[in-house]
Amino acid sequence: GAVVSQHPSWVICKSGTSVKIECRSLDFQATTMFWYRQFPKQSLMLMATSNEGSKATYEQGVEKDKFLINHASLTLSTLTVTSAHPEDSSFYICSARDHGAASYEQYFGPGTRLTVT
Amino acid sequence: AQSVAQPEDQVNVAEGNPLTVKCTYSVSGNPYLFWYVQYPNRGLQFLLKYITGDNLVKGSYGFEAEFNKSQTSFHLKKPSALVSDSALYFCAVRGTGGGNKLTFGTGTQLKVEL
Repeated sequence: GAVVSQHPSWVICKSGTSVKIECRSLDFQATTMFWYRQFPKQSLMLMATSNEGSKATYEQGVEKDKFLINHASLTLSTLTVTSAHPEDSSFYICSARDHGAASYEQYFGPGTRLTVT
Repeated sequence: AQSVAQPEDQVNVAEGNPLTVKCTYSVSGNPYLFWYVQYPNRGLQFLLKYITGDNLVKGSYGFEAEFNKSQTSFHLKKPSALVSDSALYFCAVRGTGGGNKLTFGTGTQLKVEL
């Protein structure tokens, strides 16, 4: 089946530093990847939609200069949290859409726990 | 705009009893409906989906859901709950009117007790 991985699974960084999270589709090509953010005991909130080879589309209220998204290949998208602050601490989940499958199929990664101290 | 409502923050059920987790939706066009389960500090695992066809959809781990167009509902059910079913369940919808976005409900914590 379609597998999406994320790296790292958890990361702790100091306030003011930047951290990069990778999202990979392991056995399929993903023209579109999605980045979500989840606060404790809350739902997933879509941050941005990433299309291979083009700029990401950010949801209203998400700072594009703070959350840099790069989708340079059909199997890799990265989310960089720049100048991280404690309020950026959250669970970040990516999902990927299989280029060769129906448009409604989305496969989710295991998530990355970010803690900013 | 599309939306999903999961009216119950938590559902408690005894092991062996049937369970229902409720979901209603609002979307333009025909809906694509999904149920996902999330265990602590893990990503989402797909349970089942409704795209078209039979209103009763069967999914993983003995779960099923019934699409009811008139009531705009897609409740998740299981005839006999297991303690291992205890987790956070999300309903999600995507409209066929355009766009790729999935909209999630707020989640329902299912607790199955012995």
